[in-house]
Amino acid sequence: NAGVTQTPKFQVLKTGQSMTLQCAQDMNHNSMYWYRQDPGMGLRLIYYSASEGTTDKGEVPNGYNVSRLNKREFSLRLESAAPSQTSVYFCASSEVWTDYGYTFGSGTRLTVV
Amino acid sequence: EDQVTQSPEALRLQEGESSSLNCSYTVSGLRGLFWYRQDPGKGPEFLFTLYSAGEEKEKERLKATLTKKESFLHITAPKPEDSATYLCAVHPFTSGTYKYIFGTGTRLKVLA
Repeated sequence: NAGVTQTPKFQVLKTGQSMTLQCAQDMNHNSMYWYRQDPGMGLRLIYYSASEGTTDKGEVPNGYNVSRLNKREFSLRLESAAPSQTSVYFCASSEVWTDYGYTFGSGTRLTVV
Repeated sequence: EDQVTQSPEALRLQEGESSSLNCSYTVSGLRGLFWYRQDPGKGPEFLFTLYSAGEEKEKERLKATLTKKESFLHITAPKPEDSATYLCAVHPFTSGTYKYIFGTGTRLKVLA
C-alpha cells in the first residue's frame, strides 16, 4: 500500500544508547516531518524537512538529529537516549500545501530504560 | 501564542447517541484546520480540512464545522467502529508553511 513506512515498530533502549528511526514515503511528497506523541501533550514537532536537502528544528529538537537522505527517506537519530525520550514517534509527509494535510506512518514505540 | 484546545478529553456514548467534539483555537491567522482520526497503535488518519468560518464538511456519520474561534466534529448516530481518538490541528499563518499545531485529542468510546 502507498503511504509512509516507519521502522522499527517497537524498540527498547538503555540510557545512553543510540539508534536511528527510519521513514520512507512513496507518494512523491516534498515535505517530511518527525513528531513525538506523549499522553496529555499531543503531537509535538521534532524536526521537519520542507524539501530534499533542507531540514529545520521544530518545537522539541533537543537530543535528536535528522537526515533527509533523498526525497523518499527522512531518518531521526537519537545519539544518547534518555528516559525522557520514551515516546511514540510518528513520521509524516505532505505536499507544501495540500487539502489533505499530512499522511502519517504507523509509528515507532520507543522505551528508554 | 498559537494554541489548540480540545474538549472533552474523553467521551462515552451509547450506539446511536449523537454528540459533538470541540476544538477551540487561538491563532493570529488561520490557513486551515484539520481533523484526524487515530486508532490505537496507529498513526492519525486524515478526515477533513476546513478553511473559513461557516464552512462544513461531511463524511458518513461525521460532520465538521468551523467558526472564527472553534470547530466542532458532530457525530450522528455513532457506531462502535467510530471509537477512536479524534485530533484537531491548525495551520497558522505565523507558523510558516509547514508546521501544524495539534490538540491533545478526544478519546471517543461508543458502546454497543
